[in-house]
Amino acid sequence: AQSVAQPEDQVNVAEGNPLTVKCTYSVSGNPYLFWYVQYPNRGLQFLLKYITGDNLVKGSYGFEAEFNKSQTSFHLKKPSALVSDSALYFCAVRDLGSYNFNKFYFGSGTKLNVKP
Amino acid sequence: NAGVTQTPKFQVLKTGQSMTLQCAQDMNHEYMSWYRQDPGMGLRLIHYSVGAGITDQGEVPNGYNVSRSTTEDFPLRLLSAAPSQTSVYFCASSYSTGHADTQYFGPGTRLTVL
Repeated sequence: AQSVAQPEDQVNVAEGNPLTVKCTYSVSGNPYLFWYVQYPNRGLQFLLKYITGDNLVKGSYGFEAEFNKSQTSFHLKKPSALVSDSALYFCAVRDLGSYNFNKFYFGSGTKLNVKP
Repeated sequence: NAGVTQTPKFQVLKTGQSMTLQCAQDMNHEYMSWYRQDPGMGLRLIHYSVGAGITDQGEVPNGYNVSRSTTEDFPLRLLSAAPSQTSVYFCASSYSTGHADTQYFGPGTRLTVL
């Protein structure tokens, strides 16, 4: 079965500092990995995804993620955090269900707090 | 485009009551799905549909029914609400071709079952 784990419930960083939100995965076959962000009282928004190719994936709002096959990790990063980055972040892995439907398995989420 | 819309935004039910959560999208997406979000558990897939008339179960389907009579609408029915169904429910839609797996989420429905 496909699964992802986010070991940190919360990450606190100061504005301007680099941030990392951790994600590890367990999949059979090649992993299709995603990051989504959720702002308060909103639905999830797509940030970036890894399917194949370059291990460093760039996404929206200056975020990037590094795929590491040997460590089975897909950590989300940003060189310089903004207060507006404060939100709930979800890592997810995609599997194919019936009719080739894209079934997503989400991690438990990490709350990012960026302090001014 | 309005994107993915959900109604109601908030709902309180008593145990045993039934209700339907509405979801609509105006992007002509074939794929639609329902998730529930519980603290510390992320989102879990309840049911999904790959087109009008075609639905299937996700991880946590018990207690929920769905049908898809049009491309635009994908309602979620709770037949007899239970306190364990207290959650935030999200509808999502996406295209169905190739790697077009980016999902678009609605704003959510917060349901409390007493």
